[in-house]
Amino acid sequence: NAGVTQTPKFRVLKTGQSMTLLCAQDMNHEYMYWYRQDPGMGLRLIHYSVGEGTTAKGEVPDGYNVSRLKKQNFLLGLESAAPSQTSVYFCASSRSTSGANVLTFGAGSRLTVL
Amino acid sequence: AQSVAQPEDQVNVAEGNPLTVKCTYSVSGNPYLFWYVQYPNRGLQFLLKYITGDNLVKGSYGFEAEFNKSQTSFHLKKPSALVSDSALYFCAVREVSSASKIIFGSGTRLSIRP
Repeated sequence: NAGVTQTPKFRVLKTGQSMTLLCAQDMNHEYMYWYRQDPGMGLRLIHYSVGEGTTAKGEVPDGYNVSRLKKQNFLLGLESAAPSQTSVYFCASSRSTSGANVLTFGAGSRLTVL
Repeated sequence: AQSVAQPEDQVNVAEGNPLTVKCTYSVSGNPYLFWYVQYPNRGLQFLLKYITGDNLVKGSYGFEAEFNKSQTSFHLKKPSALVSDSALYFCAVREVSSASKIIFGSGTRLSIRP
């Protein structure tokens, strides 16, 4: 049972390039999330999804797009990368229970934009 | 809008002493509250959560947290710190009426000296 898998783990981009981060979970979770982690700012929610085919904006959605075409996958896209998007990106997933939903996190993807 | 504050960037404690990592929150309704821990180069791991009921919540690795509604706080505690507790700790909140948005604090680095 792999849990939440993120690819790639590391990537270096030039300003203006595009890329996609892939998140895959094998726990049949309904909810999936993308966060970015920056020093002194903790984790900030970029986008999230409450089910296949749905997406919603989080705290810092600008410059990012997402898609949830399959329940197990949640893609985060950068159409035109900027140095401000240099960060560590974490994907997480959770069940859609009526109680508090505990997040399972991936190991992170470190992105550097030059 | 919901928010979380962790007022201390770093907490230093001697091994064997009690530790407290502070967290305050703001939501318009009832909260679900969480603590997560992050070890170097890893994703976040769930420690404990408060949903309802007893204000003192016990979690993994001997940690506990106390929910205080009047002070809107959810401080993380441990009676006797271990060097292996050294890590980055995040408090998170989800408003009960909000389907899925989970907001994290900025994190507190806990350093336990031998």
